[in-house]
Amino acid sequence: EAGVAQSPRYKIIEKRQSVAFWCNPISGHATLYWYQQILGQGPKLLIQFQNNGVVDDSQLPKDRFSAERLKGVDSTLKIQPAKLEDSAVYLCASSLEGRGAYNEQFFGPGTRLTVL
Amino acid sequence: DAKTTQPPSMDCAEGRAANLPCNHSTISGNEYVYWYRQIHSQGPQYIIHGLKNNETNEMASLIITEDRKSSTLILPHATLRDTAVYYCSTGTASKLTFGTGTRLQVTL
Repeated sequence: EAGVAQSPRYKIIEKRQSVAFWCNPISGHATLYWYQQILGQGPKLLIQFQNNGVVDDSQLPKDRFSAERLKGVDSTLKIQPAKLEDSAVYLCASSLEGRGAYNEQFFGPGTRLTVL
Repeated sequence: DAKTTQPPSMDCAEGRAANLPCNHSTISGNEYVYWYRQIHSQGPQYIIHGLKNNETNEMASLIITEDRKSSTLILPHATLRDTAVYYCSTGTASKLTFGTGTRLQVTL
């Protein structure tokens, strides 16, 4: 079974530029998550989708970050404009169901973003 | 804010059991305890979860105290491949809140 795919794996940009990350979850997984992991810290949830609807985006900096999940499958996370403090690894994860019973989250390899 | 407390680092000799503690004194009655680990440069990987009873799978055992305020993850025979950051978290459904975790170093 194919895992969660993310691209690109690495990205270097200058501050005030924009950047986009792509995620393809495991087939059949209704729930998709984006996390931000700053060096030395645990991952922090940015946004959670259930199919193509947003379940939780309370920690998403909406003035510069946006995310969408068209057709309830692939997802993109965008930062515009980027700041130095956005340098982090952006992780995508998916699970079968995000409500009710517990379900394991499967993580992709992440995209390492460096903002200069 | 993270609702769990873990030691920042631990060492374990290869072949020995690794016991990783976690305090979660504010856990609610319907919240699970779950453990993930993250090997360098990879995404986190699920290990195990539990609600009230102790749990065991092919990777590890989870011991939850009777008052559910703390738990211990046990890797029965640690190998070098178990070197990673181990995250303990609590929550409902599949919502994860990661703390800073415990960096486990397995040595020869």
